[in-house]
Amino acid sequence: DAKTTQPPSMDCAEGRAANLPCNHSTISGNEYVYWYRQIHSQGPQYIIHGLKNNETNEMASLIITEDRKSSTLILPHATLRDTAVYYCIVRVVNEKLTFGTGTRLTIIP
Amino acid sequence: EAGVAQSPRYKIIEKRQSVAFWCNPISGHATLYWYQQILGQGPKLLIQFQNNGVVDDSQLPKDRFSAERLKGVDSTLKIQPAKLEDSAVYLCASSSSSLKGANEQFFGPGTRLTVL
Repeated sequence: DAKTTQPPSMDCAEGRAANLPCNHSTISGNEYVYWYRQIHSQGPQYIIHGLKNNETNEMASLIITEDRKSSTLILPHATLRDTAVYYCIVRVVNEKLTFGTGTRLTIIP
Repeated sequence: EAGVAQSPRYKIIEKRQSVAFWCNPISGHATLYWYQQILGQGPKLLIQFQNNGVVDDSQLPKDRFSAERLKGVDSTLKIQPAKLEDSAVYLCASSSSSLKGANEQFFGPGTRLTVL
C-alpha cells in the first residue's frame, strides 16, 4: 500500500508555479521522498528526490517540512507539457517503488 | 543514451490466448522491472530482476504469468492464458542499482494489452 496521500487533481495556469502537496506522516528516518510523473501514454519519469533538505534540479524543487511528514513539489513556471499525473513515493533507496493514484495536474492555457 | 525499448506497443488478443512482451533495458543497467498499470491506477510491480536473477516476484500471478531475463539483458514477460482482467499497460523499467544517488528507474513507453 502507498504510504502517501495526494489530492486527486489540481489545475494551474500556464506560466505560474505549480505546487503539488504530499502527506507522508508515517515516513521512517531512512526513507526518501521521490517524485515521478507520467505524461499521457508514456511511462513514468523521475523528477526529484530528497531526504531532509530541500532539493532543486532543472525540472523542479522539492520542499520537505522539518518534521518530514509532508512535502511539496514545485514546478516554477508550468507549461502545457507539464500536464501529467504526479506520484509522490516514499522509499528506502533500492527498495521497490509503490505507486499510489497520484495527482492529475492540468495546466490551463 | 538510448532509453528502455519495449515491443509491441499495442496488442489485442482474445481471452485464453497467450501473449508475450519484450523489453530491452538501458545498456549497463543491472536491474530490470516489469509493472502492470490498470486504467486509472498507478503502476504495480510484478517482478524485479537483478542481472538474470529474480529479486522480487511476490505480486506476479505465477499460475499464468512468467518472465525471464536470459543473459541479464533483454527480458520477456508472458501471459498464458490471458484473462479479461489482464487488460492493462505493461511497463518495463531499468536502473543501475547503485547504492548512491537517486537509483532512479527509467521506464519504457509500455505495451497496451487489450483482452477481449
